[in-house]
Amino acid sequence: KQEVTQIPAALSVPEGENLVLNCSFTDSAIYNLQWFRQDPGKGLTSLLLIQSSQREQTSGRLNASLDKSSGRSTLYIAASQPGDSATYLCAVETSGSRLTFGEGTQLTVNP
Amino acid sequence: GAVVSQHPSWVICKSGTSVKIECRSLDFQATTMFWYRQFPKQSLMLMATSNEGSKATYEQGVEKDKFLINHASLTLSTLTVTSAHPEDSSFYICSTSPSGHRIFGPGTRLTVT
Repeated sequence: KQEVTQIPAALSVPEGENLVLNCSFTDSAIYNLQWFRQDPGKGLTSLLLIQSSQREQTSGRLNASLDKSSGRSTLYIAASQPGDSATYLCAVETSGSRLTFGEGTQLTVNP
Repeated sequence: GAVVSQHPSWVICKSGTSVKIECRSLDFQATTMFWYRQFPKQSLMLMATSNEGSKATYEQGVEKDKFLINHASLTLSTLTVTSAHPEDSSFYICSTSPSGHRIFGPGTRLTVT
């Protein structure tokens, strides 16, 4: 059974800092890994999707890496802003279009 | 881009009543819809997968007679929580993949009193 773990559970940083969120998964037989953002009481917004054959994806200040063999992914956020405050979820897709989510990292960027 | 809407965004109901949550795909057809439940401070848990025109596939531990899913058209899937109880209070989110990227509805907050 696929399990996804995210560390840390919560993170508070001052504005402008670069930060890294970690995600690990137990079964490397994945199709892709996706990072999402969730604001309180809202749905999920897809940030980055990394196919199993890829090692990283970038979008603006966000960079996500994937090491499938070791079951790890990181989300790097550069020059953090208060508007980045949210919960960040990683999810891996396996057979049957099944998405398994981690429990998220709650990020607070203080002005 | 592709958008999924949910209605209502929040609902309060009394124990024993039924609640229907609608999930609509705007400007595209959703052959498959995934329904998730999220309890406070927890991650999303897949409840069931529905395909247009066929019966939904439920995850282990999810009561199909309690959580009725209907996917009668390519733009509408509904989740009905029957005989709701306080422990059913949760955030319900639908999701689909029109082009590989998974997109999610804004969610429905259900509170059962």
